[in-house]
Amino acid sequence: DAKTTQPNSMESNEEEPVHLPCNHSTISGTDYIHWYRQLPSQGPEYVIHGLTSNVNNRMASLAIAEDRKSSTLILHRATLRDAAVYYCILRARNSGGSNYKLTFGKGTLLTVNP
Amino acid sequence: DAGVIQSPRHEVTEMGQEVTLRCKPISGHDYLFWYRQTMMRGLELLIYFNNNVPIDDSGMPEDRFSAKMPNASFSTLKIQPSEPRDSAVYFCASSDRDRAKKLSSYNSPLHFGNGTRLTVT
Repeated sequence: DAKTTQPNSMESNEEEPVHLPCNHSTISGTDYIHWYRQLPSQGPEYVIHGLTSNVNNRMASLAIAEDRKSSTLILHRATLRDAAVYYCILRARNSGGSNYKLTFGKGTLLTVNP
Repeated sequence: DAGVIQSPRHEVTEMGQEVTLRCKPISGHDYLFWYRQTMMRGLELLIYFNNNVPIDDSGMPEDRFSAKMPNASFSTLKIQPSEPRDSAVYFCASSDRDRAKKLSSYNSPLHFGNGTRLTVT
């Protein structure tokens, strides 16, 4: 998987929007951008993914730069339950066989202040 | 759907003992993954299976580690003999990639269990 770069940590206030950045300058044309998060004492959970267009779901929004070299995960109103480590991961569209891996980096630790 | 179920939740054992971690994937999922998480190394993929067959075990640290998947609903990760440096949280995850691909969906998220915290003294 191509490399991604995220800030080690970010802080937010409750009920405010949070923008979590991810740089992926070596992304290939067929790489999907996936986001997972890991709440304390739990396994990672899928958040959202996208290829070129911005994406929305019940958990978050994903904004993808026009050149696809960066993306931003947006939590519209942070809650205390959103405090977690957020991972940005690239995954090839046709990954299969021995390429079907999800490689986690260190992610961004999000702290939400009440 | 109960999700991915791992047992035990916590395991404390002495160096040299055999440890067996268990995982029940989500029904119908055709991929199963074992990950290990430590503060120093983060989340590492150890091995994964497709339709009960091991596909890539390049992340297994050494011969003391072995994993099996005797059927679609059960997998084990065994460490024999265990060492203090094996202390970590071990996660199991499953995915329905093959079905997703048939549906022309390129999203087949991994569903993780809550992990087994292993402490080897």
